[in-house]
Amino acid sequence: AQKITQTQPGMFVQEKEAVTLDCTYDTSDPSYGLFWYKQPSSGEMIFLIYQGSYDQQNATEGRYSLNFQKARKSANLVISASQLGDSAMYFCAMRDQGAQKLVFGQGTRLTINP
Amino acid sequence: DTGVSQNPRHKITKRGQNVTFRCDPISEHNRLYWYRQTLGQGPEFLTYFQNEAQLEKSRLLSDRFSAERPKGSFSTLEIQRTEQGDSAMYLCASSFGGIGYTFGSGTRLTVV
Repeated sequence: AQKITQTQPGMFVQEKEAVTLDCTYDTSDPSYGLFWYKQPSSGEMIFLIYQGSYDQQNATEGRYSLNFQKARKSANLVISASQLGDSAMYFCAMRDQGAQKLVFGQGTRLTINP
Repeated sequence: DTGVSQNPRHKITKRGQNVTFRCDPISEHNRLYWYRQTLGQGPEFLTYFQNEAQLEKSRLLSDRFSAERPKGSFSTLEIQRTEQGDSAMYLCASSFGGIGYTFGSGTRLTVV
């Protein structure tokens, strides 16, 4: 069965610093996708970045990059030059090839301090 | 493209009452998903539609829950005889071909 583990309930970072949010996953399917979402207090899940299991390079989207280590089954999110607006819950999720549902981790609450 | 719209944003109901939530997906998206998120947890999958067909249901979707997508456009999620354990955020998402899920802002249900 698919499982996502986020071991950091909360992270506190100074503005402009880089931050890494951890995510490990487990699946028996060789083909899968990994997602990161941001959830501000308004509740909406905002898509940040996607990594396919067969992608050769780590995904990047602006200030977001995904540190994908397939052998270790980890997909950490790196946010560079953090901003106050980055304060939110962050969820890692995965989907097996052919499946429709996303399986989410428990999330990490990120707080950016001025 | 106005995004995924969910109504109402908040709902407070008494235990035992029925409630219905609505989700309007992005118009060209053929797939629609419902998730439930309890406090401090990640969202959990409830059910999924491709066009008007409900193709997958989670075991979390008890007999008191029913979802429809009658014309392959908007969807409704009804909870009958609500219980306090139903208090949660109900999130709707849509996608085209299972790529690029877009979530709505959710409906927060409080059962008192």
